[in-house]
Amino acid sequence: GEEVAQTPKHLVRGEGQKAKLYCAPIKGHSYVFWYQQVLKNEFKFLISFQNENVFDETGMPKERFSAKCLPNSPCSLEIQATKLEDSAVYFCASSSRQSYNSPLHFGNGTRLTVT
Amino acid sequence: SQQGEEDPQALSIQEGENATMNCSYKTSINNLQWYRQNSGRGLVHLILIRSNEREKHSGRLRVTLDTSKKSSSLLITASRAADTASYFCATDAMLTGGGNKLTFGTGTQLKVEL
Repeated sequence: GEEVAQTPKHLVRGEGQKAKLYCAPIKGHSYVFWYQQVLKNEFKFLISFQNENVFDETGMPKERFSAKCLPNSPCSLEIQATKLEDSAVYFCASSSRQSYNSPLHFGNGTRLTVT
Repeated sequence: SQQGEEDPQALSIQEGENATMNCSYKTSINNLQWYRQNSGRGLVHLILIRSNEREKHSGRLRVTLDTSKKSSSLLITASRAADTASYFCATDAMLTGGGNKLTFGTGTQLKVEL
């Protein structure tokens, strides 16, 4: 598609439950990024993929967060045993080129609320 | 503190006025980008300026870059109510093998009143 599609739009989980978020990048885009936005401010980088390969995972809290981008499937971000502090909007973005001069195209995010 | 920090944090102006937002960063960059975020939506790319460029225009947008001061400014001329949004600067970090990872600033919330 021509837009980055994220599902679900909203997700509510009790503390300790699992949360799984999905992202379909723009067709033809090789790079996928996940960002976490807390309180409408800072965008924290989590992880990036080049096709199905992890490109940079320096932002991932590795104990509970995992992500995948498998061929012919939406990318996913999974949080095991959610905590209150995981409440945020999670954005996925994709880009087309390896060049660092390529803008990112963002989805509209998934708002995760942990209660 | 963040790689990119916008100033001011919030700005309120009247329709038709110009709005200027500033961004400062800490490390050397390859390019700097500006994005807009409307409430409840994702970021929309506005403009990209390379490290060897000093000024760039796109419609009512004008971006400047001063690499010696590690700062950039975004000017929106003749603002409209529809320009009400948060604006973020983002600086890149070139990764081994290509690709980009953008580090975002904390944003300026712009409100344009009728």
